[in-house]
Amino acid sequence: AQKVTQAQTEISVVEKEDVTLDCVYETRDTTYYLFWYKQPPSGELVFLIRRNSFDEQNEISGRYSWNFQKSTSSFNFTITASQVVDSAVYFCALSELGDDKIIFGKGTRLHILP
Amino acid sequence: GAVVSQHPSRVICKSGTSVKIECRSLDFQATTMFWYRQFPKKSLMLMATSNEGSKATYEQGVEKDKFLINHASLTLSTLTVTSAHPEDSSFYICSARTRRSGQGKGGYGYTFGSGTRLTVV
Repeated sequence: AQKVTQAQTEISVVEKEDVTLDCVYETRDTTYYLFWYKQPPSGELVFLIRRNSFDEQNEISGRYSWNFQKSTSSFNFTITASQVVDSAVYFCALSELGDDKIIFGKGTRLHILP
Repeated sequence: GAVVSQHPSRVICKSGTSVKIECRSLDFQATTMFWYRQFPKKSLMLMATSNEGSKATYEQGVEKDKFLINHASLTLSTLTVTSAHPEDSSFYICSARTRRSGQGKGGYGYTFGSGTRLTVV
């Protein structure tokens, strides 16, 4: 069965600091997809990234970067030079090829302090 | 990109009444729609998966008679909370599966609605 663990419930950092959000997943499928979503206080889910299991290349998008390590079943997310607007709940999620649904981790609430 | 329009964004209803939440896919056909609920400061829990023209598949522990899902067309899925009670107060959000061009089988994306905050008083 698929499972996503985000061990960090809540993180607070001072603006401009770098912060890494951890995500560990479990799946029996060899083909799967990993996601990160941002949920600001308004509630909507903002898609950040989708990664398939065959692509282990790390990705950078502006201040955001993702480190995918199949060996440790981790898909960590780093925000560099954090900003107050980055404050939100961040969810890591997993979808298996053989199963349509996305399963979410419990989320990490990130507070960026001015 | 693909957009899913979800309405209403907020609703307050009296205990015992029913509430319908709509999700419409704009400019694309959503053959599969997922419905999630989220309690305050909690994660999104999948309630059910609906495919156009067929009965929804509910996750374990979700009352299918209470949470009625209809996916009668490729662009509209509805969730009706019947005989709502205060414990049904939650944030409900839908998600449509979309196919990304050029990625072949399995190249699906997911587009989420903006969510509905239901308060039952």
